[in-house]
Amino acid sequence: GENVEQHPSTLSVQEGDSAVIKCTYSDSASNYFPWYKQELGKRPQLIIDIRSNVGEKKDQRIAVTLNKTAKHFSLHITETQPEDSAVYFCAAMEYGNKLVFGAGTILRVKS
Amino acid sequence: DAGVIQSPRHEVTEMGQEVTLRCKPISGHNSLFWYRQTMMRGLELLIYFNNNVPIDDSGMPEDRFSAKMPNASFSTLKIQPSEPRDSAVYFCASSLIASFNEQFFGPGTRLTVL
Repeated sequence: GENVEQHPSTLSVQEGDSAVIKCTYSDSASNYFPWYKQELGKRPQLIIDIRSNVGEKKDQRIAVTLNKTAKHFSLHITETQPEDSAVYFCAAMEYGNKLVFGAGTILRVKS
Repeated sequence: DAGVIQSPRHEVTEMGQEVTLRCKPISGHNSLFWYRQTMMRGLELLIYFNNNVPIDDSGMPEDRFSAKMPNASFSTLKIQPSEPRDSAVYFCASSLIASFNEQFFGPGTRLTVL
């Protein structure tokens, strides 16, 4: 089955700097890669996603890139703000509509 | 839209007791997922249903866990008997069938088994 690895496990950045989180997946048949943000004590919420026929997608300060050949995808957050502090999860859709999640990255934005 | 509804929000029980978690998906959604979140194991899929039919229960840890979806607007996850290692946050999520559709998570049930 699909296996998703996520790095780093924790990331501290200064407010205004950029943050990059990377994930790799194992199943070349996976075709959908969402990113979820989870604030402390809250539910995971989708922030951006990308399909396998697209190499990059951007939404304001957030962007995701996908390299199908290397089987990795990354989340980029520019001009980080304190409210970006949360746990971020990447995921890959294995088959049907089953998601396999990475272990998560704790992002701390220092002001 | 009320979103995915879960109850109870918190449950504290003693080892050996039966625990039932409940979920109401977003109206119109036809896929429902049960996840468990712990520090050690992260966010793991337990089981999911399409059109009320269980599709993949390979994540259900053992026979003590069971899930049902008697109709399109209700699902339960039952643990019998419960053990301390079952302590976790259990999330229910729903979506429309087919790839590329966002899964909407409920607020979760925090279960503590003493």
